[in-house]
Amino acid sequence: DADVTQTPRNRITKTGKRIMLECSQTKGHDRMYWYRQDPGLGLRLIYYSFDVKDINKGEISDGYSVSRQAQAKFSLSLESAIPNQTALYFCATSDAGRPYGTDTQYFGPGTRLTVL
Amino acid sequence: DQQVKQNSPSLSVQEGRISILNCDYTNSMFDYFLWYKKYPAEGPTFLISISSIKDKNEDGRFTVFLNKSAKHLSLHIVPSQPGDSAVYFCAARGNAGNMLTFGGGTRLMVKP
Repeated sequence: DADVTQTPRNRITKTGKRIMLECSQTKGHDRMYWYRQDPGLGLRLIYYSFDVKDINKGEISDGYSVSRQAQAKFSLSLESAIPNQTALYFCATSDAGRPYGTDTQYFGPGTRLTVL
Repeated sequence: DQQVKQNSPSLSVQEGRISILNCDYTNSMFDYFLWYKKYPAEGPTFLISISSIKDKNEDGRFTVFLNKSAKHLSLHIVPSQPGDSAVYFCAARGNAGNMLTFGGGTRLMVKP
């Protein structure tokens, strides 16, 4: 079984709809992240959480919100989806044993979101 | 403006030869660099990393070189294998807890 799972894997929705992407991990890691990938732009950090009570905005948090329901679960919400949020979304986890940024991040398989 | 750039969107190499993937950065505060590999329909996986206090790190067929004065790093894969065909992302960390910044990726195709 995969250590980091994301649901759904694909989603097509309409402008204005509320969407939630879910991430679960069995690695026992404290740190969790949400990224989006756009062609030619690499991965950009949306939100990150270093433990259940810690939530931080990343580079591109506008239009997104997150919830850390438990150590193993980190959800990303688009309150009112817009077409330029069409992208590939990745969840990742890492162990708190190393300084942030030097810790290896383990990525889920991604969710392809299309907003019409 | 992108602080981490991978100027070659794609690279094609013959099996057995060397693959060289390049990455340039602009922020002199970056102190740690990583390479991730991504196959289609999968998330990126960590490949190799290097601290700014080093200029080379080697792990099997993979070697990362860092040239701080030129703000340039490269990933060498020798010998290249068809299974190495993937998208490669470089990433950089600023000190003081800044978040990782990723490059746009280079698609490597290793031909049998």
